[in-house]
Amino acid sequence: RKEVEQDPGPFNVPEGATVAFNCTYSNSASQSFFWYRQDCRKEPKLLMSVYSSGNEDGRFTAQLNRASQYISLLIRDSKLSDSATYLCVVKGDTGNQFYFGTGTSLTVIP
Amino acid sequence: ETGVTQSPTHLIKTRGQQVTLRCSSQSGHNTVSWYQQALGQGPQFIFQYYREEENGRGNFPPRFSGLQFPNYSSELNVNALELDDSALYLCASSSKLAGAETQYFGPGTRLLVL
Repeated sequence: RKEVEQDPGPFNVPEGATVAFNCTYSNSASQSFFWYRQDCRKEPKLLMSVYSSGNEDGRFTAQLNRASQYISLLIRDSKLSDSATYLCVVKGDTGNQFYFGTGTSLTVIP
Repeated sequence: ETGVTQSPTHLIKTRGQQVTLRCSSQSGHNTVSWYQQALGQGPQFIFQYYREEENGRGNFPPRFSGLQFPNYSSELNVNALELDDSALYLCASSSKLAGAETQYFGPGTRLLVL
C-alpha cells in the first residue's frame, strides 16, 4: 500500500468553479502535512502547510482529518493560473522521510 | 524564488556511467533532501543530509550516494547508471530549527540515461 494516495485526475473545471482534492495517508503516526503545487517541467512549490485545525490562505483551504487519515484542499473561484499538478505530502513519524502522492492534475478552462 | 540552486540543469549519460549532481541550499538551512521524480509520478525520497551526515534514506540502492559539505551544500552521486535512472532529480533544503521542517525545492536536474 502506498504511503500517500491521490486521485490523479485530471480535473478540468471552468473559471470561477470550486474544486476539491482529497488525499489519504497510511501511517496514522504521521506528523506534518503539506500541499505543494507543481507546474509543468518545474519544481514543486509549497502551497500551504496543513494544520489539525484547518487553515485558509485566500481562495485555498486545507483540512486534515486524523481519524480518517485524509487531507483535503479546496480551491474557490478557480483562476486560469491555478492550472497545475497538486501534490499531497506527508512527513512520517520516523526517518525524516517526506512522502509525496502522485499528484492531481488541474486544468482551469476559460 | 527559494534560493535553492542545482547544477547542471540537464545531463545526458549512457548506461554504466557515473554522475554527480550538485545542490546549494537556501541561506540559513542546514538540511538537504534529494528526490527522484519519474515522469507522471510524485517525487520519491532518496536520502537526507543533516550536519554532513546521512539522516534518513528511502528505498534506493547503495549506488545512490551523497555528501553534504560544511556550507550545507550537497552532492548526489549515482554509479553504474541504468536506463530507469532517467528522471528529474530534485533537492530540497530545510531547517531543523524551523519547527515543521518545510522543504523548499531547487529547479532540479533532468537526467537522461541512454
